[in-house]
Amino acid sequence: EPEVTQTPSHQVTQMGQEVILRCVPISNHLYFYWYRQILGQKVEFLVSFYNNEISEKSEIFDDRFSVERPDGSNFTLKIRSTKLEDSAMYFCASSEQGLNTGELFFGEGSRLTVL
Amino acid sequence: AQKITQTQPGMFVQEKEAVTLDCTYDTSDPSYGLFWYKQPSSGEMIFLIYQGSYDQQNATEGRYSLNFQKARKSANLVISASQLGDSAMYFCAMREPYSGNTPLVFGKGTRLSVIA
Repeated sequence: EPEVTQTPSHQVTQMGQEVILRCVPISNHLYFYWYRQILGQKVEFLVSFYNNEISEKSEIFDDRFSVERPDGSNFTLKIRSTKLEDSAMYFCASSEQGLNTGELFFGEGSRLTVL
Repeated sequence: AQKITQTQPGMFVQEKEAVTLDCTYDTSDPSYGLFWYKQPSSGEMIFLIYQGSYDQQNATEGRYSLNFQKARKSANLVISASQLGDSAMYFCAMREPYSGNTPLVFGKGTRLSVIA
């Protein structure tokens, strides 16, 4: 069964450093998303991406954040100048245009710890 | 204002019993989709069930059913014959307007514990 894969599963970084979280969405999906979940809290939308550009972003997605789809398969989230409050689980998701239910398929997450 | 409200932070249910997890939503858009996701302790988000705003019948998927009451703006998840493996966080989410590009907005979740 096709699935969304994310790497790394856990990243530890020093405050102020840059991190890149990688995702391989399901191959025939056209819409891509990043969400984050601070420990014990709800899942929060960061950004959606379609047709090689950002469709929508939340207030969390400030100018330290960027996304890229550098090739036909990877979808990356870059966080520059990381802060302690960036510590969270980051989920990548994708969905297929025209799918009846339109559900998002989530990866298993990348846990980011900023020290 | 909260788009999705889940008022039960935690629920307990006896194994083999049914349980209802509450979800109310707020939207003025006539086209929307409602979703439930399960998040076990391992952390992944697992899609359970979907209800479209124009769907006439309540969605069902195996032991999961969605009690959709449009006028009350509620979309409660019913899990029948609970199993120990159902212990997890459950998130209600909405897409409005409903299109392939609209992000899901999640509620705060309900932690379900199934007791043997």
